[in-house]
Amino acid sequence: NAGVTQTPKFQVLKTGQSMTLQCAQDMNHNSMYWYRQDPGMGLRLIYYSASEGTTDKGEVPNGYNVSRLNKREFSLRLESAAPSQTSVYFCASKVAGYYGYTFGSGTRLTVV
Amino acid sequence: GQQLNQSPQSMFIQEGEDVSMNCTSSSIFNTWLWYKQDPGEGPVLLIALYKAGELTSNGRLTAQFGITRKDSFLNISASIPSDVGIYFCAGQSYNTDKLIFGTGTRLQVFP
Repeated sequence: NAGVTQTPKFQVLKTGQSMTLQCAQDMNHNSMYWYRQDPGMGLRLIYYSASEGTTDKGEVPNGYNVSRLNKREFSLRLESAAPSQTSVYFCASKVAGYYGYTFGSGTRLTVV
Repeated sequence: GQQLNQSPQSMFIQEGEDVSMNCTSSSIFNTWLWYKQDPGEGPVLLIALYKAGELTSNGRLTAQFGITRKDSFLNISASIPSDVGIYFCAGQSYNTDKLIFGTGTRLQVFP
């Protein structure tokens, strides 16, 4: 099925561990985004990529890095996880000139 | 960082009732969008608004783009149990690819 696929769906990390959240879309979208969702805070933009080969910081980039591997894939890396990074992470994509994002189903990350 | 204020934060209503929620910003937006998030899923686009004053419907949902371009409203008529979820507004400024999301309104519908 066409859409945005995120892996893994759930993850528990110990403080200081690293991991990469994977995101892939098969809709030939140009722009891709990583958001985090915390209770009462809505969705906050971590990083985005307007096109293949470009990445930019969003509202809350500290502690994260991203890679736009190709047009399909946009990964989010936590180099040294902290409890404050416990959250639900959403990847989204959109086609140029259109306003609606397509979201993945999320990765629930707990850092203990 | 910039954030949109949504109200109410949560609503508990009976099936069949109408629902109203709104979103306000200190900044002007050129586009307003409303999303719904089902439990355990990502948000899904419900309605997009492109012009100040615009009123758009999608089934039982009606949304309006405020005249000041700093607010938007969403109404749900005759609520049903499957309306349960979190509703997010989102705004987009001119010449940017980024959406700014609201804090969300959690809706519970009781039979």
